[in-house]
Amino acid sequence: NAGVTQTPKFQVLKTGQSMTLQCAQDMNHNSMYWYRQDPGMGLRLIYYSASEGTTDKGEVPNGYNVSRLNKREFSLRLESAAPSQTSVYFCASSEGGIYSYEQYFGPGTRLTVT
Amino acid sequence: GESVGLHLPTLSVQEGDNSIINCAYSNSASDYFIWYKQESGKGPQFIIDIRSNMDKRQGQRVTVLLNKTVKHLSLQIAATQPGDSAVYFCAEKAGGYQKVTFGIGTKLQVIP
Repeated sequence: NAGVTQTPKFQVLKTGQSMTLQCAQDMNHNSMYWYRQDPGMGLRLIYYSASEGTTDKGEVPNGYNVSRLNKREFSLRLESAAPSQTSVYFCASSEGGIYSYEQYFGPGTRLTVT
Repeated sequence: GESVGLHLPTLSVQEGDNSIINCAYSNSASDYFIWYKQESGKGPQFIIDIRSNMDKRQGQRVTVLLNKTVKHLSLQIAATQPGDSAVYFCAEKAGGYQKVTFGIGTKLQVIP
């Protein structure tokens, strides 16, 4: 099993450009998440999907949109990139339910907006 | 000892010694806590979890202690090895289905 995969691994965008970060999991997990990680600020939740067909805002959703394409895939879109969105983006998944909240993370996408 | 770096608190430990990484949480309603390890260039990886109805849980070479009175969590690593060098995050679940909130992390440096 590959676990959680993310593409691309690295990306450089100019201000105003758009892009979609892709995430897929092969663990049959119900819940999926997008985080950004900035120095000294830990991981901050952008959006999450508790189950297929649902999405909800996290702590820092402005400037982003998400799509839960199916149970496996959860994409993050930047419609008009800004330098403040320079960060490392992590996708994660979890089984869902009330017995386990352990999240499995992908390797990250390092995004620079110039 | 423990020091505050430019971005992350840093803990430096001699190889073979025990490490204690601390985490304070603010929400008294938090009922579930997790420790993650993040190695350079990788995503966080689950280490151990604990529910609020427990005060101690042990894993392989790791122990998590929970003190709800002072809202404090700690991760103890026994016989610290060079491979333990990483950033360690505590996370808490406080309301919201499947949502957890992460702390800023502590960098553990193991001195050979």
